Amino acid sequence: QSVLTQPPSVSAAPGQKVTISCSGSSSNIGNNYVSWYQQLPGTAPKLLIYDNYKRPSGIPDRFSGSKSGTSATLGITGLQTGDEADYYCGTWDTSLSAGVFGGGTKLTVL
Amino acid sequence: QVQLQESGPGLVKPSETLSLICTVSGASFSNSTYNWGWIRQPPGKGLEWIGSIYYSGTSNFNSSLKSRVTISVDTSKNQFSLKLSSVTAADTAVYYCARLRYDRLPDYWGQGTLVTVSS
Repeated sequence: QSVLTQPPSVSAAPGQKVTISCSGSSSNIGNNYVSWYQQLPGTAPKLLIYDNYKRPSGIPDRFSGSKSGTSATLGITGLQTGDEADYYCGTWDTSLSAGVFGGGTKLTVL
Repeated sequence: QVQLQESGPGLVKPSETLSLICTVSGASFSNSTYNWGWIRQPPGKGLEWIGSIYYSGTSNFNSSLKSRVTISVDTSKNQFSLKLSSVTAADTAVYYCARLRYDRLPDYWGQGTLVTVSS
């Protein structure tokens, strides 16, 4: 059972927009920054978003992040078939003194 | 460009100790901005944060693994290592090493190495 809660799957058509939620508590998301990762099949995760909404160099602005209270959201616009992947949220948990991840969300681009 | 590479046995027997090394290139290992850490992913499952270490040796661990985990750093070789003792089949996973930002979450990842626990 993951500390952070994500929907197991989401889907949308090419060109559309999708959002992925990540729910936590005051000991993690509520008081710490959130990162998002994309994991393409058979590869290592890649950092998409850090500090709730910032994008590393090379990540297109189709990917966005936001946080409100104890929840965070990843948004992807202009969906492409190449966006089909597993997406994970992560943050620091102050009570556990450890990093924590969500269970992951599988994105299907129909 | 920061690169990380895991190395170690791909098969470990139950009750023995899993040992992995991560070799870092393209980054100053003693850069005070970063921690270094391990994350694992059981087949078909999600990510699990194992632990982190600062170049000075300060470390944090997942409480569920803390009693069995050792993470150490060798700045002279630009390497850090993971030891997980008393392994069982539940420890079968792809193990990733990673550079961790100030929030101890990964920004750069190794390619991962599958470790299977089986007799």
